[in-house]
Order: sequence, then structure tokens, then C-alpha cells
Amino acid sequence: EVQLVESGGGLVQPGGSLRLSCAASGFSFSSGHPMHWVRQAPGRGLESVAAISGDGSATYYADSVKGRFIISRDNSKNTLYLQMGSLRTEDMGLYYCARESPPGGTDYWGQGNRVTVSS
Amino acid sequence: DVVMTQSPLSLTVTLGQPASISCRSSHRLVFSDGNTYLNWFHQRPGQSPRRLIYKVSERDSGVPDRFSGSGSATDFTLKISRVEAEDVGLYFCMQGTQWPWTFGQGTKVEIK
Repeated sequence: EVQLVESGGGLVQPGGSLRLSCAASGFSFSSGHPMHWVRQAPGRGLESVAAISGDGSATYYADSVKGRFIISRDNSKNTLYLQMGSLRTEDMGLYYCARESPPGGTDYWGQGNRVTVSS
Repeated sequence: DVVMTQSPLSLTVTLGQPASISCRSSHRLVFSDGNTYLNWFHQRPGQSPRRLIYKVSERDSGVPDRFSGSGSATDFTLKISRVEAEDVGLYFCMQGTQWPWTFGQGTKVEIK
């Protein structure tokens, strides 16, 4: 059974940093599935934040997080990461990791991890 | 960015009756490989989105056949042939043709 389990969320002050992790199991993480981070905030709906190719060589970012967030993966640990810096209140929300399969869509999503940015 | 516009935003349906949700994109969603990467998701309160449909009309494994997707280019539709109680929740369309992938605002489906 495919499982994606996020961790690392929490409360952080504006301007602070946080690293989210997504532990994958039930499939061959290193076999080439691109992975995505998607966030959901009340009043803002769902937003693609970042994506990474199966081997980690290509990364993609929403303009709203470019230069502040870094997506990465460790295929030896079956784990996806999102390093978030210079956090703003508008970054608050539930962050999901998701597996891309087949191309152009995401078939499995984690349970979500909440990020709160507040002083 | 590709803007995805859903309608209606709210839908109240009688059990056993059909339901239909429209999704329109601001750009044609045909990718250079000829595929159209339009997906539909269902999200129940407190749960993660579950994909129902990919590439316009392909049903995901385990999705009941009362769900069907259709459309092309910029106009797409999700149909539920006979709504059941478990179908309540939010429905989203999402395009995976052009980065950043973008979502519709969501349609809330309730039972009358």
C-alpha cells in the first residue's frame, strides 16, 4: 500500500524557517516518480508549491515561493523534503506531499502537515 | 498561469439523482505529447484529496463507475450518474499540462 507521511510542520514566526519531510513507502520511491508539494489554505484553495523529478535533477517552483523554498529528495531514504525560508503569513496552510503518476497528475497524497506563521 | 474556473461552486443533489460539475481552463490543456492532463479530485472534510479521474476521462483504480469525466481543450465536465451519500464533499479539477499546476476553486456537493 502506498503511503506518504508528512512531518515537520508547526508554528514559526514571520521570517523564520521550517523543513517539511515526507516519508514514502509501498512503492519504489527511486524508480522515477516525480513528487510534489501542494498547499491548501482557507480562502486560497489548493496551490502547487514545488515539484521535483524522479532523480532530483529538475525542480519547479511556484512564483510565490521561488527563492525562499527548496524542494529536494533523498532516494536512499525514500524521503521528500521542503525547506521553507523567509516564511510569511500567506504561507500558512496544510501542506501535502503527493506522488505524480501517471504524468500530469497526482495519485497519492499524504495526510497533510499544518504550517502556521505567526508572531 | 492557467486559470481553472469551476461551476457551480455549490450543488445540492437528491440521492440517486445525477450531478454535473463544469471546469473551464484559460488555456488549452493539450500537452505537446498529445495528452490532455485534466484531473478531478474529491475531498471529504478532514481528509486529503482523492483523485477520481485523470487525463480527462480515465478513472482511477477503485473509483465507482458512476463517476465519469469528459471534455476537451478548455471545457471539461465531471458527472455523477447517481449521487450516493458518500459523494458529499468538495470536488476540484486540476490541470497538469503547464507548470505551475493549477486547481479550480472547488465545488461543494451536499445532499438534499
